[in-house]
Formats: sequence, structure tokens, C-alpha cells
Amino acid sequence: SQKIEQNSEALNIQEGKTATLTCNYTNYSPAYLQWYRQDPGRGPVFLLLIRENEKEKRKERLKVTFDTTLKQSLFHITASQPADSATYLCAPMDTGRRALTFGSGTRLQVQP
Amino acid sequence: EAQVTQNPRYLITVTGKKLTVTCSQNMNHEYMSWYRQDPGLGLRQIYYSMNVEVTDKGDVPEGYKVSRKEKRNFPLILESPSPNQTSLYFCASSLSPGAGNTIYFGEGSWLTVV
Repeated sequence: SQKIEQNSEALNIQEGKTATLTCNYTNYSPAYLQWYRQDPGRGPVFLLLIRENEKEKRKERLKVTFDTTLKQSLFHITASQPADSATYLCAPMDTGRRALTFGSGTRLQVQP
Repeated sequence: EAQVTQNPRYLITVTGKKLTVTCSQNMNHEYMSWYRQDPGLGLRQIYYSMNVEVTDKGDVPEGYKVSRKEKRNFPLILESPSPNQTSLYFCASSLSPGAGNTIYFGEGSWLTVV
């Protein structure tokens, strides 16, 4: 069956450091993969999309990599700030699939 | 402003009393979906709709119904709510997730069934 794995343990880092979050998937052949941010009690908000033919995508302090051989995506936040503290969700999407499913997310805590 | 609007935002109800959570989007999106979110289980999809009059089960459809009579609205119906349906519910919409379009989420509806 299809599975999306994100580290369920919270990631605690110091302000200014780079945060790296991992998304592993099995039994997917994703045409693309999306990352979302979710604050407590709020709906997820789209951050970045990376396609299967892209190795890396950047947006301001965010960087996403996509390794279809390893079946893994890494999400990096450079120069992290306390305001980056949230839960980050990944969502791989198979070609031709009609619904988007999400990983359970990794909570990031940035300490000032 | 692009919006997905859910109502009610907070509700406490009793077992067996039918309730409807409404969802409306103003972006002319074809795709709409309902998710529930529980601690440790992440977002789980209940139902989704690719267009008017087209609905499909997600991963956890038991105990729920949906309808899509108009493009902008996608209500979630709990015919006979039970305590295990206590959860945080999100409605979402998109042009077409299969094409890589962004999913927009509502603010969530906290439902407690006692």
C-alpha cells in the first residue's frame, strides 16, 4: 500500500540554523510533490511544488529537493526564525491520481 | 480574495443528531475535498469531488455523506454522528490536483460529539 513517512518527532533547532525535514514515500510514482505549512488549529498553506524532472526548487529561504531514485524529498529552511515554527506536510502526487494525500507532518520548533 | 469558507467553525453536538458542515469556495475550482485531522494521524481524506455531481470516497468515508450540486459548494453530512467523529475537519479546493495545482484549505471546523 502507499505510504508517506515524515519524522513524527519534533525538530528543535536554534534560530539562524538550517532546518532539514524529510519526506519518504513508498508505492508512489509521483509526477510532483508539494510541501505545505500548518500552524496549530489552522488549515495547511501551500509552500512549494517540485516536479519529477526537477532536482531542486528554491523560494526565498526555502529549498526543496526531490530524489525519485531514493523516493525522498528534503525540505530546507535556511536562516531559520522563530516564526518558521510550525508543522510541515509533504504530499506526493501520482500521475493520473485524482486525490492528494498528505504525510502526517513534522513539527519544527525554532528557538530564539 | 480567494477563499474556502467553512461553517460552523466550532460545534458541540450529541450522538445521533444529524449535522451538516458547509463548505464554499469562490475560485471556480472543480476539485473539492474533505479531510479530518486527528492527533498522530495527520490529515485523512474523507471524500472528494472532481466536479459537479461527481464524488468519490477517500480513505475514511464511513459515517459521512457529501453532495456536489453546485460547483462552489461541497457540504459534509454526518447523518448519525458518533463520538469517534470528534475531530478537526478541513475543506479544500483546487483547479486540479492532478495537474499540480495548489490545494487551498478552509480554516477548519472543530466538531465534538458527546
